[in-house]
Amino acid sequence: NAGVTQTPKFQVLKTGQSMTLQCAQDMNHEYMSWYRQDPGMGLRLIHYSVGAGITDQGEVPNGYNVSRSTTEDFPLRLLSAAPSQTSVYFCASTPSRTGGAGNQPQHFGDGTRLSIL
Amino acid sequence: AQKVTQAQTEISVVEKEDVTLDCVYETRDTTYYLFWYKQPPSGELVFLIRRNSFDEQNEISGRYSWNFQKSTSSFNFTITASQVVDSAVYFCALSEARGGSNYKLTFGKGTLLTVNP
Repeated sequence: NAGVTQTPKFQVLKTGQSMTLQCAQDMNHEYMSWYRQDPGMGLRLIHYSVGAGITDQGEVPNGYNVSRSTTEDFPLRLLSAAPSQTSVYFCASTPSRTGGAGNQPQHFGDGTRLSIL
Repeated sequence: AQKVTQAQTEISVVEKEDVTLDCVYETRDTTYYLFWYKQPPSGELVFLIRRNSFDEQNEISGRYSWNFQKSTSSFNFTITASQVVDSAVYFCALSEARGGSNYKLTFGKGTLLTVNP
C-alpha cells in the first residue's frame, strides 16, 4: 500500500517555466488537497478536490491550476513559475464518510521541494 | 474565518524535561476537528491525534498527552520525559465541518522543538 505518492521529490525551475507536480493515491480516497509550506508560515491550502471532476480554490490559489480526472490522481500545475513559488509542496488525501470526513486524518505525501530561480 | 495560533515559535529543552506546546484556535462553528502533526527533520508529516469538538476528554498516549479546553479554545500538547527523537516541528491544525467539507485544514505556523541530550 503506497499511500500518497508525490513526484518529483526535488525540482529546480527557471522563472517562467511551467511544470506539473504529480500526486497519486491508492486508497480510493475521495478528498485530495495541495498545500504549500513556507518557512514560518505553516502549511497553506492551495487547491482541493472533493471527487473526480470537482475542484475548488483554497487560501493561496494564484499561479496554480489543478484538475481531477480520476479518483487516484490530482496534479498541480504551475503555469509560469515565479520565485515566490519556491516552496515545499504537500499533497494529501482523506477518505469520505457519512457525516463528513473531518474526523479522518489527512494522509500526506512526502512532499516536493521546488526551487524557482 | 478559522485561525490557529501557535505562539511558541521555538522551544529548547534538555532531555527528560516535560514540555507543553500551546495551540489556540478560532472558529465560528460548533462542530470542528483539531489535529496535531509532527514534522521531523526528514520532512514528512506524521499524524499524531485528532479530536472533535464534542469530545473534551483529555487523551494520553505513552509520553504524549493532549488537553482540550473549549472554554479557552485551546488544544495543548504535552510531551513527558522528552527525548532527542522528539525534536521536530509540531503543527496544530483545525478543520471546520460545513456540509461535509471537512477536508480543508488550517494550520498553525508550527513550533520547533529541540531536545538536547
